[in-house]
Amino acid sequence: AQSVTQLGSHVSVSEGALVLLRCNYSSSVPPYLFWYVQYPNQGLQLLLKYTTGATLVKGINGFEAEFKKSETSFHLTKPSAHMSDAAEYFCAVSGTGNAGKSTFGDGTTLTVKP
Amino acid sequence: ETGVTQTPRHLVMGMTNKKSLKCEQHLGHNAMYWYKQSAKKPLELMFVYSLEERVENNSVPSRFSPECPNSSHLFLHLHTLQPEDSALYLCASSLAWEGASEQYFGPGTRLTVT
Repeated sequence: AQSVTQLGSHVSVSEGALVLLRCNYSSSVPPYLFWYVQYPNQGLQLLLKYTTGATLVKGINGFEAEFKKSETSFHLTKPSAHMSDAAEYFCAVSGTGNAGKSTFGDGTTLTVKP
Repeated sequence: ETGVTQTPRHLVMGMTNKKSLKCEQHLGHNAMYWYKQSAKKPLELMFVYSLEERVENNSVPSRFSPECPNSSHLFLHLHTLQPEDSALYLCASSLAWEGASEQYFGPGTRLTVT
């Protein structure tokens, strides 16, 4: 069984401020972890993923996430928010025992204030 | 065309109509997915096809009928829908039906049932 919890359904930051979106997971097998972004009227787009190896993963648009096994977390960060980062962000988990069945979090809507 | 395409982008149908949603992927992937995304609800996985075989069917009502004629095309046939079926229907594909494979999403079909 696997699950994902995204803490905070809405996060608001000022332009230029740090972005931190939180994701905690549970999985009975070593997890594969993903962050996706969804802009209005579009599908989800992969930001980054963790499979094995280096626990700090860099993605597109300046985002990165760190896999912390001891904390069962995979938080998404960006040092400086841009207006174009306003979107909905989804964390997802899957595992070898679940094949293609990714479990998605409920999503976090990021608002960027000028 | 590149990536995952979906047609139509918008669909309004009555409860007695029959319509079909089409998805096409140009990525050479072997797995395809249908998701339902409703406002204020988590992303719901409906069906998964791997190498044209249905491998996942998450208790979806029979008024939704998927079809995967080849690894590049996926259809969702709709009939006698209910107003609560109004949602964004997302198609996705991945290289393989494996946990480590990220999914590529189409832009979705916005369905309204009247």
